Amino acid sequence: NAGVTQTPKFRVLKTGQSMTLLCAQDMNHEYMYWYRQDPGMGLRLIHYSVGEGTTAKGEVPDGYNVSRLKKQNFLLGLESAAPSQTSVYFCASSYSAGGPFLPYEQYFGPGTRLTVT
Amino acid sequence: GQQLNQSPQSMFIQEGEDVSMNCTSSSIFNTWLWYKQDPGEGPVLLIALYKAGELTSNGRLTAQFGITRKDSFLNISASIPSDVGIYFCAGQLWDSNYQLIWGAGTKLIIKP
Repeated sequence: NAGVTQTPKFRVLKTGQSMTLLCAQDMNHEYMYWYRQDPGMGLRLIHYSVGEGTTAKGEVPDGYNVSRLKKQNFLLGLESAAPSQTSVYFCASSYSAGGPFLPYEQYFGPGTRLTVT
Repeated sequence: GQQLNQSPQSMFIQEGEDVSMNCTSSSIFNTWLWYKQDPGEGPVLLIALYKAGELTSNGRLTAQFGITRKDSFLNISASIPSDVGIYFCAGQLWDSNYQLIWGAGTKLIIKP
């Protein structure tokens, strides 16, 4: 049981390049989230998904796109990277409401450190 | 957007000391969560609180859900070297759709 995994772990991009970050979870969670973490700040939600085929914007969605084609995977895309997107990106997942499990307990992956030059 | 005020920002303590940190807000929360992040890792859930006034322990860690539902506290007793890291509080607003609001973190450093 790997939990939440993220690939790649590190990446350096030039301004204007594109890339996709992959998140995978094997806990059968309905909800998945993408956050960014910058020095001295808490986690900021970029986009989230409450189920396969659905996505929604979080607090800081500009410059990012996401897709949830399979329940276990959540992709984060940067179409045209900018230096302001230099950050550590975390994926998380959680259960949904309506069952015996509580939906607010999010489980995190190890992060992807992205540098845009 | 909504904010959580987490304090202190950092703490320098001696091994064996007790530690206290807290999160406050002007908003009402239904859930409070406390996470710890080690360097180079993702946050790991320590304690979850779901009722106002609730006091929950996890080993040497104790957390409380404030009675006003606007704050939460985390205490660590008899700190040890592996307690170093960044501690985050996160709250779920009463009217949110499972999104969490995060504090900026408390960095715990143990003096050699």
